Amino acid sequence: DGGITQSPKYLFRKEGQNVTLSCEQNLNHDAMYWYRQDPGQGLRLIYYSQIVNDFQKGDIAEGYSVSREKKESFPLTVTSAQKNPTAFYLCASAEGAKNIQYFGAGTRLSVL
Amino acid sequence: AQSVTQPDIHITVSEGASLELRCNYSYGATPYLFWYVQSPGQGLQLLLKYFSGDTLVQGIKGFEAEFKRSQSSFNLRKPSVHWSDAAEYFCAVGANYGGSQRNLIFGKGTKLSVKP
Repeated sequence: DGGITQSPKYLFRKEGQNVTLSCEQNLNHDAMYWYRQDPGQGLRLIYYSQIVNDFQKGDIAEGYSVSREKKESFPLTVTSAQKNPTAFYLCASAEGAKNIQYFGAGTRLSVL
Repeated sequence: AQSVTQPDIHITVSEGASLELRCNYSYGATPYLFWYVQSPGQGLQLLLKYFSGDTLVQGIKGFEAEFKRSQSSFNLRKPSVHWSDAAEYFCAVGANYGGSQRNLIFGKGTKLSVKP
């Protein structure tokens, strides 16, 4: 089945630790996105990538990093510089100029 | 600046009643408009989309939305709500971001509760 797979579903971070969230897609989409969701805040864009080996900062990139070495994969690292990482993280991919985005099931990150 | 407003944070309707969720956008050009639905702890599922043409668009699960340029609105409707429709609904507009590439700007969502 084609789709977007995010792992793990739940993740816990210790103080000062970096953690990496996985996002894999087999839809052959060029564009991929990472969003952060907090209650009552909607979705806020962290990073996006339109093509392999290229990515751009979104609205709230501070404390996060990404890579795009393969078309299928767009991992997000939450660094120790992100002081308030507790949130629900959503990955999406899109094709074409109309940017129809499809989402994974999300990863919930909490701080120990 | 591009923006999306969903004026209702939480709506409760009775099962079988009709539903309308409001969405207003701010965008200079012809927008691409989307509605997504999210069940608790899950990702977002695309309900419907508008790019151009007929201003009344049909989506999945019996939902429809009407684009009204004069009101900058794209309201979501359903004639008869089912208990399984209880979820959070997000309106989004496709907007230019960092140049020519379109991105999506999301509203803050409307949570729908359904009374038996």
